[in-house]
Amino acid sequence: EIVLTQSPATLSLSPGERATLSCRASQSDSSYLAWYQQKPGQAPRLLIYDASNRATGIPARFSGSGSGTDFTLTISSLEPEDFAVYYCQQRRSFGGGTKVEIK
Amino acid sequence: QMQLVESGGGVVQPGRSLRLSCAASGFNFDDYAMNWVRQAPAKGLEWVAVVSYDGSDRYYADSVRGRFTISRDNSKNTLYLQMSSLRTEDTAVYYCARDPFIVATINWFHPWGQGTLVTVSS
Repeated sequence: EIVLTQSPATLSLSPGERATLSCRASQSDSSYLAWYQQKPGQAPRLLIYDASNRATGIPARFSGSGSGTDFTLTISSLEPEDFAVYYCQQRRSFGGGTKVEIK
Repeated sequence: QMQLVESGGGVVQPGRSLRLSCAASGFNFDDYAMNWVRQAPAKGLEWVAVVSYDGSDRYYADSVRGRFTISRDNSKNTLYLQMSSLRTEDTAVYYCARDPFIVATINWFHPWGQGTLVTVSS
C-alpha cells in the first residue's frame, strides 16, 4: 500500500503570501493524485484531481503539479479563507495533512 | 446540485452493530462508484470502503475487512455501510463520497456528504 508523506506538518504564513505544500508517495502508482481542503467542522472539499486539474469552482490561485512520487499544491496568494488543513490522496491512501495557519 | 446526506450515526457499545445510510441527489447515482471515508476525532482521513456502480465489486480497508459491509440500492439512490463487531477505534465521523467513475478503482472523491458521527463506547 502506498504511503503518502506530507510536509511540512504546519505552515505559518500571512495573507497574500505564497504557500507551497508537498506530498511524497512511497512508490509511483499513477497521476491520480488529489488534494483536498478541510476547515474545522466541515467535510473535505476537492481542490485538485489528476495532480494538476482544478475541480469545478476552485479559484485559479490553487494549482497542483508533479508526477511519479513528488507532488506539490501551490496557493499563489493566500486569502483569509484559505487557512485550513490540506490533504493529498492517491487511491486508498491519504497523507497526514498540512495545516496552513495565520502567522 | 449534487448532494450526499449521511444518517444513522450515534453511540453504540463495543461489539454491537450499526448501519449508516447515505442519500444521494442531483446526479445519476447508478453511474458512479461510491466510497466511505472516516475521520477519527482530531485525526486525518482514512478510506474505508468502495462499491462499484452496480454493487458487483466491493473493496475494504484492512482495518474493517470482515466486519463492515458496503452496499447500495440504486432504486433508492442510497449507499449503506453495515458495521458489526464495532471497536472503540471505529469512533469517527463517517463520510460518503462519490468516485468519478463507475468502477471501484478509488480515484478521487467529489462530492462529500456532511458526515455522521459514530461513537463506540461502553
